[in-house]
Amino acid sequence: GAGVSQSPSNKVTEKGKDVELRCDPISGHTALYWYRQSLGQGLEFLIYFQGNSAPDKSGLPSDRFSAERTGGSVSTLTIQRTQQEDSAVYLCASSPDTPEAFFGQGTRLTVV
Amino acid sequence: QKEVEQDPGPLSVPEGAIVSLNCTYSNSAFQYFMWYRQYSRKGPELLMYTYSSGNKEDGRFTAQVDKSSKYISLFIRDSQPSDSATYLCAMSAIQAGTALIFGKGTTLSVSS
Repeated sequence: GAGVSQSPSNKVTEKGKDVELRCDPISGHTALYWYRQSLGQGLEFLIYFQGNSAPDKSGLPSDRFSAERTGGSVSTLTIQRTQQEDSAVYLCASSPDTPEAFFGQGTRLTVV
Repeated sequence: QKEVEQDPGPLSVPEGAIVSLNCTYSNSAFQYFMWYRQYSRKGPELLMYTYSSGNKEDGRFTAQVDKSSKYISLFIRDSQPSDSATYLCAMSAIQAGTALIFGKGTTLSVSS
């Protein structure tokens, strides 16, 4: 079956602009995660969804970051007023309520 | 002390060598352990998943968990150039509903 799909695969934006990153999880997976991976760094947890609710938003780095999930499926991560330090690969993963998480290919965000 | 420590390498080996990749952790509550492989500009791919202590084998890959030492390993036998990638360990304390904690990854290069 289809894996986790993320779009766009690459995004270049000007500093100060807002961006939206999309994630389509594996069908039937109730858990959805967003992570950020900066060059030379490990995966930094951002937010976790169970269904449409987000019981853990502890990783969001600032109030410029927000995320939502609708219909227990598609999720959107929004970054407002982007800064250069937001440049990273944003990875989405989904899970069928097991510890294993299955990742998409990521969105490479570059803020210029 | 970070929750999960992983030597970033790089680790360079000749084709056919046995590779040992390791992580240490500090949280004794971790029970679920995973290894991911990440090729350049791709999302992490789940390789192995183990619960609690012990060994698990899958083809050329063997995962070991020693909870008493808080130490996990991934062994790759008969390494191939196609194994060249970054290997990330990840772990969790509960079965579902929490983000995985990742190591920073070890970069492996297998030369032919």
